[in-house]
Amino acid sequence: QQQVKQSPQSLIVQKGGISIINCAYENTAFDYFPWYQQFPGKGPALLIAIRPDVSEKKEGRFTISFNKSAKQFSLHIMDSQPGDSATYFCAAIGTGSARQLTFGSGTQLTVLP
Amino acid sequence: SQTIHQWPATLVQPVGSPLSLECTVEGTSNPNLYWYRQAAGRGLQLLFYSVGIGQISSEVPQNLSASRPQDRQFILSSKKLLLSDSGFYLCAWGEQGFFGYTFGSGTRLTVV
Repeated sequence: QQQVKQSPQSLIVQKGGISIINCAYENTAFDYFPWYQQFPGKGPALLIAIRPDVSEKKEGRFTISFNKSAKQFSLHIMDSQPGDSATYFCAAIGTGSARQLTFGSGTQLTVLP
Repeated sequence: SQTIHQWPATLVQPVGSPLSLECTVEGTSNPNLYWYRQAAGRGLQLLFYSVGIGQISSEVPQNLSASRPQDRQFILSSKKLLLSDSGFYLCAWGEQGFFGYTFGSGTRLTVV
């Protein structure tokens, strides 16, 4: 049962454009929402994260928007660069001591030069 | 600073052979430890997690098992590999009560 749904599956953006990736969650027992960036052959790396009591968080060119009532959150990459080309995963961390991380299915972003 | 080590980086094993992947974390104590598998495509599937020595929870019935013999050591094993066990295996750690996960560099397993 997929608890975090991510779209689109793939995204092609021109250099300098805005990349937008959307996620929706079903389980309300999540209390932290990170985004991971993964390059081929590498492990995912934490990019940015947000708590559900915050509606927006910005770090450099990366912004998370969070809509708690709609159970949706999104990643915006401003001024997208070819070096941003990677697979992006949204995720949700469950409450409790195990802190299990549930991933979305991933978005393969390609930024054209 | 904390670091996570995972090895080997790549592994080619015949069907029916055993498997042992090791993950160790440095610079922290009593971390939560996780094994994920990333099959062809992009999805990451949680296989096992551990909140303490000897404590293993399985998320999905597998041909795999996990053990945590020491506080900062997490081992993924199989007695007999199947073709379907091929994939990219990732170890991760997180501090209990903290909100971040750090992943290892992964092991690319190909079962032939």
